[in-house]
Amino acid sequence: AQSVTQPDIHITVSEGASLELRCNYSYGATPYLFWYVQSPGQGLQLLLKYFSGDTLVQGIKGFEAEFKRSQSSFNLRKPSVHWSDAAEYFCAVGALRFGNEKLTFGTGTRLTIIP
Amino acid sequence: DTEVTQTPKHLVMGMTNKKSLKCEQHMGHRAMYWYKQKAKKPPELMFVYSYEKLSINESVPSRFSPECPNSSLLNLHLHALQPEDSALYLCASSQDLGSADTQYFGPGTRLTVL
Repeated sequence: AQSVTQPDIHITVSEGASLELRCNYSYGATPYLFWYVQSPGQGLQLLLKYFSGDTLVQGIKGFEAEFKRSQSSFNLRKPSVHWSDAAEYFCAVGALRFGNEKLTFGTGTRLTIIP
Repeated sequence: DTEVTQTPKHLVMGMTNKKSLKCEQHMGHRAMYWYKQKAKKPPELMFVYSYEKLSINESVPSRFSPECPNSSLLNLHLHALQPEDSALYLCASSQDLGSADTQYFGPGTRLTVL
């Protein structure tokens, strides 16, 4: 079965500083990987996804992520964070199960931005 | 348009009440999902519908009853809930069932059971 680990429960970053959120996955075949963002009390918004091809993926809001098969990682990065980036971030892996889709989410990383 | 709508935004109900949550999408997606999310936790899959047929039931108690009346609409009927069922209920949809199909989420319904 697939699994996702987000080692950092909470990260605090100064506005304008760079950001990296870590995600490690476990899956026997080629994974499909996603990053979602959730503002308080809101639904999840897709930031970016990786299926195949170029291992550096560009997303919305200036985010990017790099797939590293050798490290089983899919870390999310942003060169300069804005106060509006404060939210919960979930990494997820998609995989076939009995012919159906099931997303497995990590436990999330809460991002706090300080002025 | 990648919008999934959910009503109501908030719902408070007693343990003897019967209520329903509604989810709608007009993207032509053929797979729809219900998730439950407790505070500070990731979403947990409850049900998956594919082409209006129930495809996955993640051993959810029978007090939760899903319904897919048509390809655009997904309901979750609630009856005799417990206080521990209080959570954010998220609906999602995707083009089809497949690992490469992105799930698009609605804003959720915040449910409180008294």
